[in-house]
Amino acid sequence: EDQVTQSPEALRLQEGESSSLNCSYTVSGLRGLFWYRQDPGKGPEFLFTLYSAGEEKEKERLKATLTKKESFLHITAPKPEDSATYLCAVVSNTGKLIFGQGTTLQVKP
Amino acid sequence: NAGVTQTPKFRILKIGQSMTLQCTQDMNHNYMYWYRQDPGMGLKLIYYSVGAGITDKGEVPNGYNVSRSTTEDFPLRLELAAPSQTSVYFCATLQLMNTEAFFGQGTRLTVV
Repeated sequence: EDQVTQSPEALRLQEGESSSLNCSYTVSGLRGLFWYRQDPGKGPEFLFTLYSAGEEKEKERLKATLTKKESFLHITAPKPEDSATYLCAVVSNTGKLIFGQGTTLQVKP
Repeated sequence: NAGVTQTPKFRILKIGQSMTLQCTQDMNHNYMYWYRQDPGMGLKLIYYSVGAGITDKGEVPNGYNVSRSTTEDFPLRLELAAPSQTSVYFCATLQLMNTEAFFGQGTRLTVV
């Protein structure tokens, strides 16, 4: 059964304190892994797509990496405006796109 | 180029009523999805479609129905609304090997 599990569920950081969010997945034929950011009351905002193990992508303070079983979203020197819920999703070879439950990040000044 | 359009944005239903949530895309994407998101939770897949005439169940299909007669439209039908269906609903589209899945603005549904 296709499944996505994110950890931790919630994370509190001080401004400037780097950390990583984890996304573990089991899927029948990975066609892609997505990271999204979601602010309260808003829809998901696209961050990254990763397609194969070993792939890495960066955007400002964020860096996403992918292995055969999991993905990490590394946040370097976060700022309060990075506070949001971060969602991971995978696409299987049947076209099914499923999400994890999200990690809610709070960055305190 | 509107992208993904969802209507309505808000709706209040009484228990037992029915309604259709509309989702239309103009990006010619083959893959379309319906999700529900309860407070503090991730997105749960209700139904998805990989092309016109093809639909399949997701993680939480009970109480919902879909159809996909054209590439552009993927309506979600609630036949007998229940309080448990109070949620925010998102429609999304994807073209595999494209960079991202695109989302509609969401529909906030309350069943009372």
